[in-house]
Amino acid sequence: GDSVTQMEGPVTLSEEAFLTINCTYTATGYPSLFWYVQYPGEGLQLLLKATKADDKGSNKGFEATYRKETTSFHLEKGSVQVSDSAVYFCALRGNQGGKLIFGQGTELSVKP
Amino acid sequence: DTEVTQTPKHLVMGMTNKKSLKCEQHMGHRAMYWYKQKAKKPPELMFVYSYEKLSINESVPSRFSPECPNSSLLNLHLHALQPEDSALYLCASSQALAGALEQFFGPGTRLTVL
Repeated sequence: GDSVTQMEGPVTLSEEAFLTINCTYTATGYPSLFWYVQYPGEGLQLLLKATKADDKGSNKGFEATYRKETTSFHLEKGSVQVSDSAVYFCALRGNQGGKLIFGQGTELSVKP
Repeated sequence: DTEVTQTPKHLVMGMTNKKSLKCEQHMGHRAMYWYKQKAKKPPELMFVYSYEKLSINESVPSRFSPECPNSSLLNLHLHALQPEDSALYLCASSQALAGALEQFFGPGTRLTVL
C-alpha cells in the first residue's frame, strides 16, 4: 500500500539556519503530496501542496518540490525562526478513497 | 470562512459517561473526517463521511459512534470509553472525497478518559 517516510526528529536548529526535512513516498499512480504543520496544542494546518511531478509548493518561506524520479518531497526553508518550532507532517493522497497517508512527523525546535 | 470549528476544546469523562464531540464547517465541503491523534504521532483516520453518508469506517470500536446530521455538521458520540482512548480528536473537511483536494483541520478536542 501507499506509505510515507520522514526523517526522524527531533531536529534542533539555531535561528536563521537552513532547514531540510526529508520525505519520501511509495505510491501507485500519481498521488498528491502535502506538508502539514502542527504547532503546540493546535490542530494541523496545511503548509503547502503539490499535485503533479515537478510542481513546487511554497508558503511562508517554506518550499517543497514533487520529484517523481526520486519519489521525494523534501521540505526546505532558507532561514528558520523560533516561531517555526512545531511538528511537520508529510502526507500523500493517492488512490485509496481519498485517505491521507501521513509520515511519522518531524519535531523541529528552533533556538534563539 | 475557511475554518473548521470543534467543541469542546477539552473534555474529561469517566468510563461510564456518554458524551459527544461536535465539528462544524461552512465552506460547503461535502467530505468530513474524524481522526484520533496520540502525542507526537500522526493522526489516525477513524471515519469518513461523503455527502452525509458514512464512506469509510477504519474498524473503529463501536464505543465511538459518528453522525452527520447535515452537510455542515459532524458529531462523534462517545460511550463506555477506555483510558487508552485518551487522545486529541481532530475533525477535517475537504471539498469532496476524490481528487487532489486538501483537507482542512479543526483545532481538535483533547479527551481524557478517567
